[in-house]
Amino acid sequence: DTEVTQTPKHLVMGMTNKKSLKCEQHMGHRAMYWYKQKAKKPPELMFVYSYEKLSINESVPSRFSPECPNSSLLNLHLHALQPEDSALYLCASSQKLAMEQFFGPGTRLTVL
Amino acid sequence: AQSVTQPDIHITVSEGASLELRCNYSYGATPYLFWYVQSPGQGLQLLLKYFSGDTLVQGIKGFEAEFKRSQSSFNLRKPSVHWSDAAEYFCAVAPANAGGTSYGKLTFGQGTILTVHP
Repeated sequence: DTEVTQTPKHLVMGMTNKKSLKCEQHMGHRAMYWYKQKAKKPPELMFVYSYEKLSINESVPSRFSPECPNSSLLNLHLHALQPEDSALYLCASSQKLAMEQFFGPGTRLTVL
Repeated sequence: AQSVTQPDIHITVSEGASLELRCNYSYGATPYLFWYVQSPGQGLQLLLKYFSGDTLVQGIKGFEAEFKRSQSSFNLRKPSVHWSDAAEYFCAVAPANAGGTSYGKLTFGQGTILTVHP
């Protein structure tokens, strides 16, 4: 299995909702990443996990809460989001830090 | 801090023509270098990577890239473009040395949108 899967593909939520994005890989990779991508912009790094420990937090607002329950799974918990948080959220994984990253198809999030 | 510049926001080529997408980076040491491609609304696909060794690297879909240390460049090339190559292309760099606070961080250029005319 050489892919990164993300669920759901699309998510619409209100500003008071709580939702979660899920990312899974079965390549034995030990580094996993969350990115946010706005239209016509490059991906912006949000969080990096290495061996299930948070390695990098790019000063992301606390309404985004990452979780890495095991080496194959990465979640992003969302709470009290703002309309400007609407974007494509991409997950990626790599064998270890600094190696090439493999991206999932993304979750298109719309905050109303 | 590392940075990546892709000078061309939008490039249009005819099908069958050759292609070169430019990428320049700024970093204290030689970083790891990558090219990714993204179709609209999709994730990113890795085209090729440079870690060390031969400065001309081959990738998927007939793409190649050449690392030139003296010019801090990593330009992407393809001898004959196909209509299916129309997409957005991102150059990216990552620190090669562990220990820094940005180790593991991939920094992207602004992207180059490729349009292919029949």
